Amino acid sequence: DSGVTQTPKHLITATGQRVTLRCSPRSGDLSVYWYQQSLDQGLQFLIQYYNGEERAKGNILERFSAQQFPDLHSELNLSSLELGDSALYFCASSPRDSYTEAFFGQGTRLTVV
Amino acid sequence: AQTVTQSQPEMSVQEAETVTLSCTYDTSESDYYLFWYKQPPSRQMILVIRQEAYKQQNATENRFSVNFQKAAKSFSLKISDSQLGDAAMYFCAYRSALASGGGADGLTFGKGTHLIIQP
Repeated sequence: DSGVTQTPKHLITATGQRVTLRCSPRSGDLSVYWYQQSLDQGLQFLIQYYNGEERAKGNILERFSAQQFPDLHSELNLSSLELGDSALYFCASSPRDSYTEAFFGQGTRLTVV
Repeated sequence: AQTVTQSQPEMSVQEAETVTLSCTYDTSESDYYLFWYKQPPSRQMILVIRQEAYKQQNATENRFSVNFQKAAKSFSLKISDSQLGDAAMYFCAYRSALASGGGADGLTFGKGTHLIIQP
């Protein structure tokens, strides 16, 4: 158990809908990272938050957004969903801004039908 | 942008033998970190080993060791005495050591190598 909790574990929704994925980092970790794993694109970095502020952006679509709350949990919002958004979404956390290793949650499997 | 290449989509090894997984990367930076992550069928991403680019000594963690060749931009993973529990997808990953604030600060992953352990 990495100590990073992601909910829900599975999510099935229709095209055009909006969903929210939730991540609780390890106790004391200030950085949260979101990744997408799909068959087409592999594992891709989406976005990073550090202590409530957006710190870095990767290949995140404009239809996607994230935030980190004062209690340090984070949410990834996916809107206007398309079939191609079906993927495994991982959250990872680390204790510092410039980390040397990150601890991953078990992921949320999103299926868009 | 950095890229990570794993040229072996799948590898197979007999239990108790040694296997080496290949990884090459492309970067213009001089300071960075390299990682091997394991993803078993449970989907959990598990850190196997880490290497700092400024360290010449190859990292070792029990049965896992790396061969880091900075000039060649190569970072292979050797698994000794393979066990059935080692069966998984293995991902090589890169991260810049530059402070965040400019550009992507997450990990850049390779496509992965599926490791099969034959009993």
